[in-house]
Amino acid sequence: AQTVTQSQPEMSVQEAETVTLSCTYDTSESNYYLFWYKQPPSRQMILVIRQEAYKQQNATENRFSVNFQKAAKSFSLKISDSQLGDTAMYFCAFIRGGADGLTFGKGTHLIIQP
Amino acid sequence: KAGVTQTPRYLIKTRGQQVTLSCSPISGHRSVSWYQQTPGQGLQFLFEYFSETQRNKGNFPGRFSGRQFSNSRSEMNVSTLELGDSALYLCASSLDLAGELFFGEGSRLTVL
Repeated sequence: AQTVTQSQPEMSVQEAETVTLSCTYDTSESNYYLFWYKQPPSRQMILVIRQEAYKQQNATENRFSVNFQKAAKSFSLKISDSQLGDTAMYFCAFIRGGADGLTFGKGTHLIIQP
Repeated sequence: KAGVTQTPRYLIKTRGQQVTLSCSPISGHRSVSWYQQTPGQGLQFLFEYFSETQRNKGNFPGRFSGRQFSNSRSEMNVSTLELGDSALYLCASSLDLAGELFFGEGSRLTVL
């Protein structure tokens, strides 16, 4: 079975700072995908960024980028120039290629202070 | 384009009752999956449907069931409710089984 671990229950940074959220996972699969999801206080979960395990290049979406270390099974999310609207729960998630549902970490509550 | 719609948004039931939750996916999406979110267990996968067939199932008892209709709308049912079933139930749709998931706002179930 796959496991996803987020070791930071809560983080707080000042607006405009850069913050990195950690995620490690454990799997014996070779074909899988990794995701970061954001859940704002309104509760609707939205996809922040996606990484295919077979791709060596780290995914980037505007201010969001990942550091994917396949050998170390690490998948951290970096948010640059943080904004007040980035305040949310962030979940790291894993799915194997055969697709049996996402496995989520426990989440990191990120607070952006003005 | 309308997003994923879940109804009802909030509901209160008592132990032993049953509940049915509904999910309307984004138009054109054929895959619907369900997740349970609780403070203690976090987000856990319940099941996934594609073209009216259950494709995957998480580790939940048989009291949890679901189905998908020909228009891709999905329902999940929980019978003989227990206090521990109190949770936010999230539905997500995608174009296909490996596609990006789009989540609804969830149905908040409280069991008294």
